[in-house]
Amino acid sequence: GAVVSQHPSWVICKSGTSVKIECRSLDFQATTMFWYRQFPKQSLMLMATSNEGSKATYEQGVEKDKFLINHASLTLSTLTVTSAHPEDSSFYICSAWMGGATDTQYFGPGTRLTVL
Amino acid sequence: GESVGLHLPTLSVQEGDNSIINCAYSNSASDYFIWYKQESGKGPQFIIDIRSNMDKRQGQRVTVLLNKTVKHLSLQIAATQPGDSAVYFCAENTDSGGSNYKLTFGKGTLLTVNP
Repeated sequence: GAVVSQHPSWVICKSGTSVKIECRSLDFQATTMFWYRQFPKQSLMLMATSNEGSKATYEQGVEKDKFLINHASLTLSTLTVTSAHPEDSSFYICSAWMGGATDTQYFGPGTRLTVL
Repeated sequence: GESVGLHLPTLSVQEGDNSIINCAYSNSASDYFIWYKQESGKGPQFIIDIRSNMDKRQGQRVTVLLNKTVKHLSLQIAATQPGDSAVYFCAENTDSGGSNYKLTFGKGTLLTVNP
């Protein structure tokens, strides 16, 4: 149980284009979903917290207009990187929290974004 | 937790040995801690967790120790296997179950198991 999927697993795009990444909780409803960014040999950095039906909460330094988050249902959150540039190339990982008594976040497999 | 750094601590062990991975956290208000394993190109995988009202918790081949006095967390892996090779992250939660629930990750430790 507690499986989280991401799509696509990798994407290559041209500079200036937008890319959408989907995060789904497959066998549970997620109260909250989180989006992280990870550069090579570094830790996970939280970008934003997403609650179903409400606006995402962005961490300091993360541009909300550049990283659009939509949490349409309790099982789906999307991250859109708008007008992507080479510096946006990174490994994007989502996680889901089912809430309640459990505090564990379950992570997706990640999406490798390369902007040319 | 530790801030993101540019250098990943490494630990190299022989297959069959026990491994101990350490993590220091900075927020004394943290009340929930998790260890994650991340293999190359994959998302973090939950290993074991512990709440601040405990100082030890055991799982299958893994044990987590929490020392709140010195704000230190460790992960012990018994009889380490080549499949245990990965980066291990500790994460802390300062608002367990609350409206501001989120995890802060440590810098990670690369464990390499030599056959």
